[in-house]
Amino acid sequence: AQRVTQPEKLLSVFKGAPVELKCNYSYSGSPELFWYVQYSRQRLQLLLRHISRESIKGFTADLNKGETSFHLKKPFAQEEDSAMYYCALYTGNQFYFGTGTSLTVIP
Amino acid sequence: NAGVTQTPKFQVLKTGQSMTLQCAQDMNHNSMYWYRQDPGMGLRLIYYSASEGTTDKGEVPNGYNVSRLNKREFSLRLESAAPSQTSVYFCASSEASGVAYNEQFFGPGTRLTVL
Repeated sequence: AQRVTQPEKLLSVFKGAPVELKCNYSYSGSPELFWYVQYSRQRLQLLLRHISRESIKGFTADLNKGETSFHLKKPFAQEEDSAMYYCALYTGNQFYFGTGTSLTVIP
Repeated sequence: NAGVTQTPKFQVLKTGQSMTLQCAQDMNHNSMYWYRQDPGMGLRLIYYSASEGTTDKGEVPNGYNVSRLNKREFSLRLESAAPSQTSVYFCASSEASGVAYNEQFFGPGTRLTVL
């Protein structure tokens, strides 16, 4: 069963525009959610996690348990944000990743 | 610290051949993972090892075996490679000691092509 859904495979926005990458999850327990990012020719790396309630590189994500969502947002996209973004759910022993969203920021 | 290292970086196999992908981490992490990354499929967990001496199946274990050799090393073996196993393979590790520490650290990946 798909535990993490990222409905957009590709997303393009203009530089300076707001961006939102959607993530929905399915899990009966208390979720731990993460966003990972893979820049071109780099390793997959953690961007942020809901438990920390942090803003990294201008990105934020709020866990909405009612809507079972963990959307990633940034008010003003930059060219360097172009990358592959994965939403991930940790269930206590393993991680489940979404299929990813490829974000392109158009200059 | 090198973090998570993987060898080889690239490999081409013929159908039916066998090979082992190596992974090592120097962060003293308890948990290690093997994923495959395919276009449109994201990352899918093949096997994981929650701690030294234990291994468990993930979402797509068929056709693979693993060995947690010690705390540092976690290898993935393809006994009889098939074209469907053409993919990019990532190893990862995590401390797995509590909620705030479940970040995974990934290796650079191994690009495997099975002809």
